[in-house]
Amino acid sequence: EIVLTQSPATLSLSPGERATLSCRASQSVSSYLAWYQQKPGQAPRLLIYDASNRATGIPARFSGSGSGTDFTLTISSLEPEDFAVYYCLHRSNWPNTFGQGTKLEIK
Amino acid sequence: EVQLVESGGGLVQPGESLKLSCATSGFTFSTYWMTWVRQAPGKGLEWVGNIKPDGSDKYHVDSVKGRFTISRDNAKNSLYLEMNSLRVEDTAVYYCASCKEGCDYWGQGTLVTVSS
Repeated sequence: EIVLTQSPATLSLSPGERATLSCRASQSVSSYLAWYQQKPGQAPRLLIYDASNRATGIPARFSGSGSGTDFTLTISSLEPEDFAVYYCLHRSNWPNTFGQGTKLEIK
Repeated sequence: EVQLVESGGGLVQPGESLKLSCATSGFTFSTYWMTWVRQAPGKGLEWVGNIKPDGSDKYHVDSVKGRFTISRDNAKNSLYLEMNSLRVEDTAVYYCASCKEGCDYWGQGTLVTVSS
């Protein structure tokens, strides 16, 4: 099973700042990595698929990069609605696995 | 409009069974992988398993193998999760999702509580 490790566990920033979230895989997942945003009481929302492709309707301030074992989700300028928990998920093999999440909170 | 609606959750005792359903509309169900994801109270997301568009292959996480079975009925645009021998640690909100390169559409989730 591929283990995804997200860092940091919690990120405290202010609106307008740049956020950089990391996801590291225990072995290569090629580019088969997605990022999801989840707000309390809501289902996850797909942001990025295959490492760097924005999903339909996702604002351009969200971008993804990386391949192999190291991936980054960047939010260029935080909006108030961006404060949430973010998860990475790989689909390189079975079982697919999620990272443990990064909570992005308002500083 | 795309819709995924889970049902079938509830309170059961350890060892009992439950079958979840996910009714879908608004997209071509038979062309999508379908996935079950769960989230224990206050915890992160856990991938439970998924099933190919034609139902020919299905995959389950080790913690549910032999107890849970994913199935689908493309004629009814529906996904199922049959859960047997339920354990306290299976308590979670269960989400269904439709996936291609990523899981674009999600249901609102159904709560399964396993408690004596």
